[in-house]
Amino acid sequence: NAGVMQNPRHLVRRRGQEARLRCSPMKGHSHVYWYRQLPEEGLKFMVYLQKENIIDESGMPKERFSAEFPKEGPSILRIQQVVRGDSAAYFCASSPPFASNTEAFFGQGTRLTVV
Amino acid sequence: AQSVTQPDIHITVSEGASLELRCNYSYGATPYLFWYVQSPGQGLQLLLKYFSGDTLVQGIKGFEAEFKRSQSSFNLRKPSVHWSDAAEYFCAVGAHNQGGKLIFGQGTELSVKP
Repeated sequence: NAGVMQNPRHLVRRRGQEARLRCSPMKGHSHVYWYRQLPEEGLKFMVYLQKENIIDESGMPKERFSAEFPKEGPSILRIQQVVRGDSAAYFCASSPPFASNTEAFFGQGTRLTVV
Repeated sequence: AQSVTQPDIHITVSEGASLELRCNYSYGATPYLFWYVQSPGQGLQLLLKYFSGDTLVQGIKGFEAEFKRSQSSFNLRKPSVHWSDAAEYFCAVGAHNQGGKLIFGQGTELSVKP
């Protein structure tokens, strides 16, 4: 059973370009979470998605950032018109359909560098 | 406000010495508590978790943590540190009805002296 798969592992974009980060959850998991880790900081929650639904986007920046988790395929975090401040590690986590005592499993992350 | 505080940004211990990493939280609901470890350039690996029951939790790699509700703490301990334990350690808190939506501390970087 493969873990949470994120790709690419490293992504370099010029200012103004779009960045697309992909996350395939663990088999059987229908909940996906995206986190951002700025240099020297902890992880900050961005968004929580279930298939075809955004459940909680309280941590998403208001502009340029969007996320989706379609019925088929991976979850996508999209950053439009990237700026230097978007340089960070972006982590995806997944968890199974709700039961008590569930935990989330994290991917290896995508490290975005904006030049 | 909900928050997690790891007071120690960087700790250095000698190999073979004991370790305690501190974590304090502020959370309105009954907390689920986690410790993760992150090696440079890598993802997060779960060391241990507390959901309910026995307040002393055993994890992987010889780590344990104790939940103290009265002190709002969940400190991580290891009796004898190995050089391979050098990494960044994160404490996190969540709620039973919020799955993987977690609040993380700033992290504690552990260095191990030979």
